[in-house]
Amino acid sequence: DAKTTQPTSMDCAEGRAANLPCNHSTISGNEYVYWYRQIHSQGPQYIIHGLKNNETNEMASLIITEDRKSSTLILPHATLRDTAVYYCIVRVVGTYNFNKFYFGSGTKLNVKP
Amino acid sequence: EAEVAQSPRYKITEKSQAVAFWCDPISGHATLYWYRQILGQGPELLVQFQDESVVDDSQLPKDRFSAERLKGVDSTLKIQPAELGDSAMYLCASSLEAAKETQYFGPGTRLLVL
Repeated sequence: DAKTTQPTSMDCAEGRAANLPCNHSTISGNEYVYWYRQIHSQGPQYIIHGLKNNETNEMASLIITEDRKSSTLILPHATLRDTAVYYCIVRVVGTYNFNKFYFGSGTKLNVKP
Repeated sequence: EAEVAQSPRYKITEKSQAVAFWCDPISGHATLYWYRQILGQGPELLVQFQDESVVDDSQLPKDRFSAERLKGVDSTLKIQPAELGDSAMYLCASSLEAAKETQYFGPGTRLLVL
C-alpha cells in the first residue's frame, strides 16, 4: 500500500515554479522520501530524495517539514517538457534490510504555455 | 550515462500464449527489480533479486509468472499462460545496493494480451 497522499493533478504556467505537495504522515524515522516522474510511455525517472534536511539538485528542490509528515517538490522554472506524472514515494526498509518502494497514483502536472 | 536496457519495447500476444521479457541492469548493480504498471496506476513490485537470489516475490503470481537471474546480471520475466488482465507495462529497475541506493528504471515493455 502506498504510504503517501498526493493531489491527482495540478496545472502550472510555463516559466513559473511548480510546487507539488505530498503527505506521508506515517513515515518512520529511517525512511527516506523519494520523488520520481514518468513522462508518457517511459520508465520512471529519478528526481531527488531526502531524509530530514532540504535537498537541491540540478532538477529540483525538496522541502521536508520538520515533523517529516509532508514534503514539497519544487521545480523552479517549469517547462513544457516537465509535463509528467510525479510520484512521491516513501522508501521502506523491508525484510533482510532490502528497500521497497511503494508507488501511489502520483500527481499529473500539466505545464501550460 | 549508463542505463537499464529492456526488450522488447512492445509485445502483442494472444491469451494462453507464453511471453518473456528481458532486462539488463546497469553494470555493477547487484539489486534488480521487476514492476508491473497497469494503465493509470503507479508501478507495483513483482519480484526483487539480490545478485542471483530472489529476496522478495510476495506479489508475484507464481501460478503463471516466473523470474530468473541465473548469473546475477541480466534477468528474464516470463508469463505462461498470458491472460487478458496481464496487459500492462512491465518495468525493470536496478540499484547498486539494496538497502540504500536509488532505483534506476528502464524504458519498460508494454504488453497487450488479446
